[in-house]
Amino acid sequence: GDSVTQMEGPVTLSEEAFLTINCTYTATGYPSLFWYVQYPGEGLQLLLKATKADDKGSNKGFEATYRKETTSFHLEKGSVQVSDSAVYFCALTSNFGNEKLTFGTGTRLTIIP
Amino acid sequence: KAGVTQTPRYLIKTRGQQVTLSCSPISGHRSVSWYQQTPGQGLQFLFEYFSETQRNKGNFPGRFSGRQFSNSRSEMNVSTLELGDSALYLCASRAPTNTEAFFGQGTRLTVV
Repeated sequence: GDSVTQMEGPVTLSEEAFLTINCTYTATGYPSLFWYVQYPGEGLQLLLKATKADDKGSNKGFEATYRKETTSFHLEKGSVQVSDSAVYFCALTSNFGNEKLTFGTGTRLTIIP
Repeated sequence: KAGVTQTPRYLIKTRGQQVTLSCSPISGHRSVSWYQQTPGQGLQFLFEYFSETQRNKGNFPGRFSGRQFSNSRSEMNVSTLELGDSALYLCASRAPTNTEAFFGQGTRLTVV
């Protein structure tokens, strides 16, 4: 079945540091890939997505590239801010029309000033 | 455009009781999915409804059920509550031709 393996947390960085959160997946066919973010006490917000190989999703300074050859979708940001502190989830859907999202375990990110 | 609305935000129930949670999707969205979030198991898919039909179901016992109404609003019901059902229950809606799911803020259920 589908699965997402995500970098274990928690991750603590200083403000303006470079961020990478690793994500690899196993899926049938050609999945769509997502990064969601969850702030304390909130639901999930879509951060970025990519629907086919070599696509790059980007939003708010975050980027991730769909790498089919390595089945990866690593999240990166060049300079993190305190406001980026949250839990980040990598996720996939394997077939359009079957809309189940399979999530990774989440990575808690804390940015210190 | 209003987002996904879940009610209530918080619930406290006693073991053995049942509970109904509600989700109003974004206007025009006909697909509604439910997820359970716990510290131990993470985010797990419960079920998905599209045009009042259950299209997909996760690996949860029959105590967990749901339905969708003609206006796309959805409810999920949990009967005979157990302590382990304490979780954040998240609802997501999706437009017909889009893979992007929009989540509500969730209902925090505590079973005591």
